[in-house]
Amino acid sequence: ELKVEQNPLFLSMQEGKNYTIYCNYSTTSDRLYWYRQDPGKSLESLFVLLSNGAVKQEGRLMASLDTKARLSTLHITAAVHDLSATYFCAGRGGADGLTFGKGTHLIIQP
Amino acid sequence: DTAVSQTPKYLVTQMGNDKSIKCEQNLGHDTMYWYKQDSKKFLKIMFSYNNKELIINETVPNRFSPKSPDKAHLNLHINSLELGDSAVYFCASSRRGGQGNIGELFFGEGSRLTVL
Repeated sequence: ELKVEQNPLFLSMQEGKNYTIYCNYSTTSDRLYWYRQDPGKSLESLFVLLSNGAVKQEGRLMASLDTKARLSTLHITAAVHDLSATYFCAGRGGADGLTFGKGTHLIIQP
Repeated sequence: DTAVSQTPKYLVTQMGNDKSIKCEQNLGHDTMYWYKQDSKKFLKIMFSYNNKELIINETVPNRFSPKSPDKAHLNLHINSLELGDSAVYFCASSRRGGQGNIGELFFGEGSRLTVL
């Protein structure tokens, strides 16, 4: 059974700083997904990482995947307040559906 | 034009009642899901369903049952509601994972269920 662990679970940071969220998974997952959730809202897909070494960037967010280490990272560059949200990583364990990490609640303060 | 829509968005009910949440997707996807998000924001899959196969998470009580009148709809019916059923329930859809399909899930807005 696939297990997905994120850390940290809570992160408070200042605008302009850089930080990384880590996502480890327990067994082979051929793909890794990152989602964003704003309070009271739905989950929005940010990145889909399909292969070892994949790197994707969108604005101040960059995601990478290392399948050998079973690790994905979400890097935030020069954080701005609008990036405050809960970020989830998820993997596919073979059966349908995604297994999600517990989420990282990110607060970016001015 | 909402891709995955759920109704109702909010549902407040008494213990012991039976309730349903409806979900519709207009993305042409062949697989639909129900997820439960608890008060700590943990997301757990409850069901995945396409027109051939229902996969049930074994931890889901049999008071919960998915019903799919067609491939664009997957409703969630809950019998004998309990306090612990209070949560946000998300419907999602995808193309079934496989060659050429990235398996990305698209989520509805969620239905917040409160059991008193």
